[in-house]
Amino acid sequence: GAGVSQSPSNKVTEKGKDVELRCDPISGHTALYWYRQSLGQGLEFLIYFQGNSAPDKSGLPSDRFSAERTGGSVSTLTIQRTQQEDSAVYLCASSLGSGLNTEAFFGQGTRLTVV
Amino acid sequence: KQEVTQIPAALSVPEGENLVLNCSFTDSAIYNLQWFRQDPGKGLTSLLLIQSSQREQTSGRLNASLDKSSGRSTLYIAASQPGDSATYLCAVASNYQLIWGAGTKLIIKP
Repeated sequence: GAGVSQSPSNKVTEKGKDVELRCDPISGHTALYWYRQSLGQGLEFLIYFQGNSAPDKSGLPSDRFSAERTGGSVSTLTIQRTQQEDSAVYLCASSLGSGLNTEAFFGQGTRLTVV
Repeated sequence: KQEVTQIPAALSVPEGENLVLNCSFTDSAIYNLQWFRQDPGKGLTSLLLIQSSQREQTSGRLNASLDKSSGRSTLYIAASQPGDSATYLCAVASNYQLIWGAGTKLIIKP
């Protein structure tokens, strides 16, 4: 497809388990963002990748959260030892060129539920 | 620190009315401002992007304005339709991040 693709669309996991969320950005987009949206709250920035530069990790809430972007394309967000407060919709977005000066396209999100 | 505020938090209007959604931001040093819509259970859809050098953008029944000096943007929706019902979010590109408002939940009554 031509859009940003995220998988899985839904994930239910037990507290304490690790989870991996995947994002396939639009081909050719050099900027990739991860956000999360908790119930009833706004979008929270997590991490930003731009080309081959070091990612901006300033939004990651704890060291249990990490993300990689392999080959400048697919990104994986990993949450270790999940907690109930990690339950949220995790959204990925990509954009062309220098990122913030261009339009961001979002995936459908992964709804994570920690029980 | 950039902060983005959207007013009102919720709005319900009859079909056919024109309406305005508001977005304000505290730091005028922005790259651009985007308006998105979010439908329940779906991702975000970009509606309009206004670069910092622009004053407005139009797409169909939507018109977005930007006044950097006053830290304001408006999204004007003409001749509203039930299909316009969604949450509308504005996001400001500032300091290599997108800073988000909390959104306006719009309901268009048939």
